[in-house]
Amino acid sequence: GENVEQHPSTLSVQEGDSAVIKCTYSDSASNYFPWYKQELGKRPQLIIDIRSNVGEKKDQRIAVTLNKTAKHFSLHITETQPEDSAVYFCAADTNSGYALNFGKGTSLLVTP
Amino acid sequence: GAGVSQSPSNKVTEKGKDVELRCDPISGHTALYWYRQSLGQGLEFLIYFQGNSAPDKSGLPSDRFSAERTGGSVSTLTIQRTQQEDSAVYLCASSLVGQETQYFGPGTRLLVL
Repeated sequence: GENVEQHPSTLSVQEGDSAVIKCTYSDSASNYFPWYKQELGKRPQLIIDIRSNVGEKKDQRIAVTLNKTAKHFSLHITETQPEDSAVYFCAADTNSGYALNFGKGTSLLVTP
Repeated sequence: GAGVSQSPSNKVTEKGKDVELRCDPISGHTALYWYRQSLGQGLEFLIYFQGNSAPDKSGLPSDRFSAERTGGSVSTLTIQRTQQEDSAVYLCASSLVGQETQYFGPGTRLLVL
């Protein structure tokens, strides 16, 4: 099936620094790219998403960029806080129009 | 309003037994998805229901897995003759028709001994 690659698998930053997580996808038909945050033992929560007609989207400290030509998209978190510590998953929609292909996740640790 | 709910939250079973996992989607959401999350892995799509249409079962890993959705609301994922490799967190999500955003339940953590 089509793949979504996500890097890095783990990321440790100091509070106040920025964190960047990168994903690549292979299905050129993908048009929707959500990012989910999953705290330990909890459900994945959508934090931001982007559609293919937009190159960048920002929501307070979180931003996502998309390069459709290169088939990659990135999550940027600025001024990180300890409560940002979680596993982050990127995803891309498939040619089915509904199922999502997920990356394997990035475990982000923000140390005070 | 209430989010997606799943039960049980944890299930321990013996190899070879059958298990049933339940998902109650957000009211009004006609699309329902099941995913499997193995340790250290991303979410793997299993099955999709949309209204009264035939479900997309393309992600089910074997014929031991089946799912149904009664009355267009609650869904049950059944795993027959469980194997140790079935141990994972099974997540359910729902969405409004035509909307891409999927809302996830808390998952059922399945352990097959």
